[in-house]
Amino acid sequence: KNEVEQSPQNLTAQEGEFITINCSYSVGISALHWLQQHPGGGIVSLFMLSSGKKKHGRLIATINIQEKHSSLHITASHPRDSAVYICAVRRDDKIIFGKGTRLHILP
Amino acid sequence: EPEVTQTPSHQVTQMGQEVILRCVPISNHLYFYWYRQILGQKVEFLVSFYNNEISEKSEIFDDQFSVERPDGSNFTLKIRSTKLEDSAMYFCASSEGLRGYGYTFGSGTRLTVV
Repeated sequence: KNEVEQSPQNLTAQEGEFITINCSYSVGISALHWLQQHPGGGIVSLFMLSSGKKKHGRLIATINIQEKHSSLHITASHPRDSAVYICAVRRDDKIIFGKGTRLHILP
Repeated sequence: EPEVTQTPSHQVTQMGQEVILRCVPISNHLYFYWYRQILGQKVEFLVSFYNNEISEKSEIFDDQFSVERPDGSNFTLKIRSTKLEDSAMYFCASSEGLRGYGYTFGSGTRLTVV
């Protein structure tokens, strides 16, 4: 069983739609990261969360430590948001990655 | 904005050859990491490095792998005798601290073993 599970695996939506990507984890963590990976392969860190909610532009990330669950929301989605979104949890001195959610926003 | 720099961006090597992947972490960061991503698979932790020694490593990080911080700026990953299955994207990351600190990732080195 994966320690970090993401859903959905793939998501296609129309431009402008509100997007939600979910992440559940089964281990104790000190922080949770949301990362974005573009087709070229580079990884960009979007958020690091240990509690509550963070907002950056059109992106919102929330975490519920008791339920071991986090969500990443994108408001007013745009084709340039198309990427793989990865949930990763920090446990001790390493990060455990989810398999990622491939998001495709259609114009 | 400070960056983690990785070189080369793409390396092709023959099976059995040694490769060294290079990373320049952010200058005030103290924790350094290598991850890899085999094509189509998820990112996997390889090793973490702090205070000039390995602090944690995964089962992937066997005797074929080694890391070094040869000077004050570079952080290298060496694969002694490459195998076809070492073909992957290798990411370096650095962090200022442990709890409460984020990671900055490099843009990766794509290693192709032929």
